[in-house]
Amino acid sequence: GAVVSQHPSWVICKSGTSVKIECRSLDFQATTMFWYRQFPKQSLMLMATSNEGSKATYEQGVEKDKFLINHASLTLSTLTVTSAHPEDSSFYICSARSYFGPGTRLLVL
Amino acid sequence: SQELEQSPQSLIVQEGKNLTINCTSSKTLYGLYWYKQKYGEGLIFLMMLQKGGEEKSHEKITAKLDEKKQQSSLHITASQPSHAGIYLCGADFFSGSARQLTFGSGTQLTVLP
Repeated sequence: GAVVSQHPSWVICKSGTSVKIECRSLDFQATTMFWYRQFPKQSLMLMATSNEGSKATYEQGVEKDKFLINHASLTLSTLTVTSAHPEDSSFYICSARSYFGPGTRLLVL
Repeated sequence: SQELEQSPQSLIVQEGKNLTINCTSSKTLYGLYWYKQKYGEGLIFLMMLQKGGEEKSHEKITAKLDEKKQQSSLHITASQPSHAGIYLCGADFFSGSARQLTFGSGTQLTVLP
């Protein structure tokens, strides 16, 4: 069974709204989780490292004020896309250890 | 990622043919992971290699890691349409259990019936 879950699996929202994506480790605790983004026909790109109890570490070129990450517990990390725009439409995947969530498809209209 | 080169970018083969996908790192790896994916869907874990010279097989898929732990290959024997998809190699450049992976650019595999 899945050991990392994501919610929602897909979301459609209007431009300017904020969207929260949850990533949960189901059978283990994870002090570190990772958020990736994937555009069509491209590979996964690491966005940020989510650290439980401390600030996330963002990769170069990723706006931390745009993509808010909160890792409030050892089993939950959230990614909030603030003031989403159509160019934020993508597939977002989280991981903990070497386990990946099923991904969240975001479509911003 | 420039640290990890994956080739070829795309591959079209006739059903029944063998094929190889390569993944080359500029640095020594702590681990190399192979995944299969379809865009918009989750990653399917295939194999993980950690030791130099290691080779693992599952059904018709074989993955190898060279002795220097900088190059890995994924070989599919007698390909089938079910093998079609995107193959990703993921490199673990860091020690420890956090498992941050750097991914190659991916290989889009098409198997013609």
